[in-house]
Amino acid sequence: GAVVSQHPSRVICKSGTSVKIECRSLDFQATTMFWYRQFPKQSLMLMATSNEGSKATYEQGVEKDKFLINHASLTLSTLTVTSAHPEDSSFYICSAPGQGKNTEAFFGQGTRLTVV
Amino acid sequence: DAKTTQPPSMDCAEGRAANLPCNHSTISGNEYVYWYRQIHSQGPQYIIHGLKNNETNEMASLIITEDRKSSTLILPHATLRDTAVYYCIVRANSGYSTLTFGKGTMLLVSP
Repeated sequence: GAVVSQHPSRVICKSGTSVKIECRSLDFQATTMFWYRQFPKQSLMLMATSNEGSKATYEQGVEKDKFLINHASLTLSTLTVTSAHPEDSSFYICSAPGQGKNTEAFFGQGTRLTVV
Repeated sequence: DAKTTQPPSMDCAEGRAANLPCNHSTISGNEYVYWYRQIHSQGPQYIIHGLKNNETNEMASLIITEDRKSSTLILPHATLRDTAVYYCIVRANSGYSTLTFGKGTMLLVSP
C-alpha cells in the first residue's frame, strides 16, 4: 500500500518556540493531506485540510495563524506549530487520501509534541 | 458522516476470534463502513471496508447486516499484536472524504 512518512516522530520544545512537522507521500502524489490532533485518551480530531498550491482549510476552533500549513509540492505538506504552549502538547498525525480505487486513507506514524 | 456506536472496550484471549460490533443506524445509501485500528502511539491503520456485502481480506472479515444498520469486524485468530483501538467509521466512498473518528473500541488481547 501507499506510504506516508511523518517526521519527526517525537519532539520536545520550549514554550514560545515553533515546531515544524513534515508529512511526505513516498510513492504517490497527494494534492490533499489531512492533519489530525489527538490528546491523551481521546480520539483523533481533524484540524485542517492541506491543499497543494492553495490555502489550507481549517476546522472550526483551530487557529490558522497558530497552526501554519504549507503544501508546497505534491509530496510534502508541513504543519508548523507557532509560539507553542504546553497545551499544544499532543499527538499530531497526517493522512493522505487513497488514490483511484483505493479509497482508504493512509496515515503517517504521528508526531508526539511535548512543549515544556 | 453518520455517527457510529461501539463498546468502549473488549477483551479477547489470544488465538480466539475477536468480534467487534458497531452500530450505524443512520447510515445513508451511499456511505460505506470503514474499519481502522490504532496501536498505541502510532497512526491509524486501515483494516477493511464494505458497502453491503460481507468482505474478507488478509487482516479481517467484515459482516454487515442486511439493513446496514450494524456491522461486525472479525479478527479470526487474535494475537497480542492486535491489541489496539478499533474505529468503525461510515463515510462516502471517496478518498477525499474526511474520516470522523469516534471513541472506538479498545481491544485487549491477553495470553
